[in-house]
Amino acid sequence: KAGVTQTPRYLIKTRGQQVTLSCSPISGHRSVSWYQQTPGQGLQFLFEYFSETQRNKGNFPGRFSGRQFSNSRSEMNVSTLELGDSALYLCASSLAPDRVYEQYFGPGTRLTVT
Amino acid sequence: LAKTTQPISMDSYEGQEVNITCSHNNIATNDYITWYQQFPSQGPRFIIQGYKTKVTNEVASLFIPADRKSSTLSLPRVSLSDTAVYYCLVGDEGIKAAGNKLTFGGGTRVLVKP
Repeated sequence: KAGVTQTPRYLIKTRGQQVTLSCSPISGHRSVSWYQQTPGQGLQFLFEYFSETQRNKGNFPGRFSGRQFSNSRSEMNVSTLELGDSALYLCASSLAPDRVYEQYFGPGTRLTVT
Repeated sequence: LAKTTQPISMDSYEGQEVNITCSHNNIATNDYITWYQQFPSQGPRFIIQGYKTKVTNEVASLFIPADRKSSTLSLPRVSLSDTAVYYCLVGDEGIKAAGNKLTFGGGTRVLVKP
């Protein structure tokens, strides 16, 4: 079974721009979560989607948003990029709602903001 | 969610057994204990999950004492490729309505030396 895929793998943007990242979960997984990982803050939860609805949101500003499509694929968007948004953005899927803690992560998108 | 405490780093040698202990004094009755492994520039990988006593799979063993206030991840006969960060997470697996609240702490950086 194919794993979680994320595109693009690497991205370089400048301050003020916006970016959209994409995630395709494992087939049959309906829950998709997004995380931001930086050396200073570690791995932080951004938000979770299940059945096209955002179920939980982490402590991030409104510039960070996401959505989920009917085929469970998900996108996250960051508007008005700041230097501090440079990070590895990870997507994870799970067989929600019963296996919340058994999540399968994708390889991540490395975003660099200059 | 129960707070977890684990050592920041551990060194080991190839062929040795590595034991990482995680403290979770405030674990709740419904909480499960889950461990993830993360290699550099990759997403975390689910290793093992348990509720009490001992759980073993092809990768690791998880030992949980009767009071459940701590747990120990045991990696048998490590190799250089086991060098990674290991995260201990504690939370309610059955949170169907609440959704994902996965919170990663700082993790334990394990370095396996030749």
